[in-house]
Amino acid sequence: GAVVSQHPSWVICKSGTSVKIECRSLDFQATTMFWYRQFPKQSLMLMATSNEGSKATYEQGVEKDKFLINHASLTLSTLTVTSAHPEDSSFYICSASGGQVTGELFFGEGSRLTVL
Amino acid sequence: QKEVEQNSGPLSVPEGAIASLNCTYSDRGSQSFFWYRQYSGKSPELIMFIYSNGDKEDGRFTAQLNKASQYVSLLIRDSQPSDSATYLCAVNPAGNQFYFGTGTSLTVIP
Repeated sequence: GAVVSQHPSWVICKSGTSVKIECRSLDFQATTMFWYRQFPKQSLMLMATSNEGSKATYEQGVEKDKFLINHASLTLSTLTVTSAHPEDSSFYICSASGGQVTGELFFGEGSRLTVL
Repeated sequence: QKEVEQNSGPLSVPEGAIASLNCTYSDRGSQSFFWYRQYSGKSPELIMFIYSNGDKEDGRFTAQLNKASQYVSLLIRDSQPSDSATYLCAVNPAGNQFYFGTGTSLTVIP
């Protein structure tokens, strides 16, 4: 199946700093990528939908100025958590559509962010 | 009403039994349906997808779709302890929209 790679897997940062997470589709062109956040023992929460070459569409309640999403190419989307605070500590997961099976989503490995 | 609803569980079954996971959805026009498995601390992985009414079998897994009743289910036969995970139902109504249920936690007891 298609492969989506996410980096870094783990990141620890100080409060007030910014963190960038990369999501790459390795063997297919991902026209659309999705960013999710998941708190412990909770379900996936869609943060935003990112289409290559255009602005991301954010879900209600997600601050677009805090969670900057860039989808500059068909294989790379980035999520930058700006001025991170401890409450931003979470598991961030990207997914991409565009594989062989219509409608199938491929997930990255996830990035666990801890803000001290 | 949520777009996709699942019983959060936890669902416990003994090893070797059949685990039955259910999901209902609200958008009658939905076309694609997916079951993902998520182990704790890991990202979801695709188990099954189904587009047409009826059953679709893949090894120990069977997906069942009933569009008239707007439900999709996943049966796991001969459940193994390694099947213990959270199972997410996902619905793709159209284009690049995807709606996930909250997931059902399954525990297979040895």
